[in-house]
Amino acid sequence: DSGVTQTPKHLITATGQRVTLRCSPRSGDLSVYWYQQSLDQGLQFLIQYYNGEERAKGNILERFSAQQFPDLHSELNLSSLELGDSALYFCASSADRVKRNTIYFGEGSWLTVV
Amino acid sequence: DQQVKQNSPSLSVQEGRISILNCDYTNSMFDYFLWYKKYPAEGPTFLISISSIKDKNEDGRFTVFLNKSAKHLSLHIVPSQPGDSAVYFCAAGGSGTYKYIFGTGTRLKVLA
Repeated sequence: DSGVTQTPKHLITATGQRVTLRCSPRSGDLSVYWYQQSLDQGLQFLIQYYNGEERAKGNILERFSAQQFPDLHSELNLSSLELGDSALYFCASSADRVKRNTIYFGEGSWLTVV
Repeated sequence: DQQVKQNSPSLSVQEGRISILNCDYTNSMFDYFLWYKKYPAEGPTFLISISSIKDKNEDGRFTVFLNKSAKHLSLHIVPSQPGDSAVYFCAAGGSGTYKYIFGTGTRLKVLA
């Protein structure tokens, strides 16, 4: 158990809909990362927050957005969903030093768009 | 542009032998590297890391080697065990970047 909690574990929704994925980082971790893993693909970096502020952005679509709340949990919002958005979405967290820090992953939220 | 590459999608090794997983990177600003293991339907699990000030780091059966001039790192697992069968990802991060870039993974199968 990495200490990173993600909900829901599985989600099935229709095209055009909107979903919210939630992540609670490890106790004491200030940084939260979101990654997407599509079928047979590597882990694609989406976005990172540090203590409530966006710190780095990767290949995140405009239809997707995220935020980190004062209690440090984070949410990833996916809207106008398309079939190609079906993927495993991982949240990870790390300690307050951003660089040279191990990041610890949650078990992921499996999104299926039908 | 794939900054971190794992060119071998899969690898099969006999139990008890050495497994060598390779990773290449292109960005010379990367100075911290991590290896993760991932079982199906689970999140990646941290295995071992190495900073660019070192060329080797060892933790039990796992050793990571870093060749900065070649921009290459490798993970050695000795001896390999059937429970090591998983997908292995390397990741890189460094000065000036707050994100870790992952490779596409290598699926290791250890045969009993």
